[in-house]
Amino acid sequence: GEDVEQSLFLSVREGDSSVINCTYTDSSSTYLYWYKQEPGAGLQLLTYIFSNMDMKQDQRLTVLLNKKDKHLSLRIADTQTGDSAIYFCAESRNQGGKLIFGQGTELSVKP
Amino acid sequence: GAVVSQHPSRVICKSGTSVKIECRSLDFQATTMFWYRQFPKQSLMLMATSNEGSKATYEQGVEKDKFLINHASLTLSTLTVTSAHPEDSSFYICSARVLGQGASYEQYFGPGTRLTVT
Repeated sequence: GEDVEQSLFLSVREGDSSVINCTYTDSSSTYLYWYKQEPGAGLQLLTYIFSNMDMKQDQRLTVLLNKKDKHLSLRIADTQTGDSAIYFCAESRNQGGKLIFGQGTELSVKP
Repeated sequence: GAVVSQHPSRVICKSGTSVKIECRSLDFQATTMFWYRQFPKQSLMLMATSNEGSKATYEQGVEKDKFLINHASLTLSTLTVTSAHPEDSSFYICSARVLGQGASYEQYFGPGTRLTVT
């Protein structure tokens, strides 16, 4: 079956790097996504990576994919208080298709 | 960028009544929209896939007669929770699929609707 797992909480100090981890079980996963959700709001797509890629960097965000271990991570450099939110990892077999979400990781950034 | 709106943002209704939630793509057309449900401190669970001009595809365990979905136009999908009960209280989020740059599909999410059934 399809399952996506994340740790529930992460606390960092402002200026430090944050690393949020995700594991998935579906070997047919083709697209892997990171979404950000602020309190009471919908989801904002941060970045995504295709399964044939190992790494993708976009400004402060770096996504690493270990396809062999089915492990995905999101690194946020120079974390700011505005980065405090819940971060969801998601996977899909088809581009733009059904998304399977992890439980979300609540990131708390302390000044 | 692609903007998706939902209306209402919050609704409180009495048990046994029906509630309609709208999902609109504001600056693009979407043949496919998705409806998700999110419980507090939990992940999003896909309820159904809404296709313009055809019947929605429901996920296993989702009652199609209770959660009515209509996708009558390329910019609007509606979710009607019929005969609502307190256990239907949740955060309902829609997303719209659009063909983005580089000919790749992307999903854009609405801000969500908080439903409370008393």
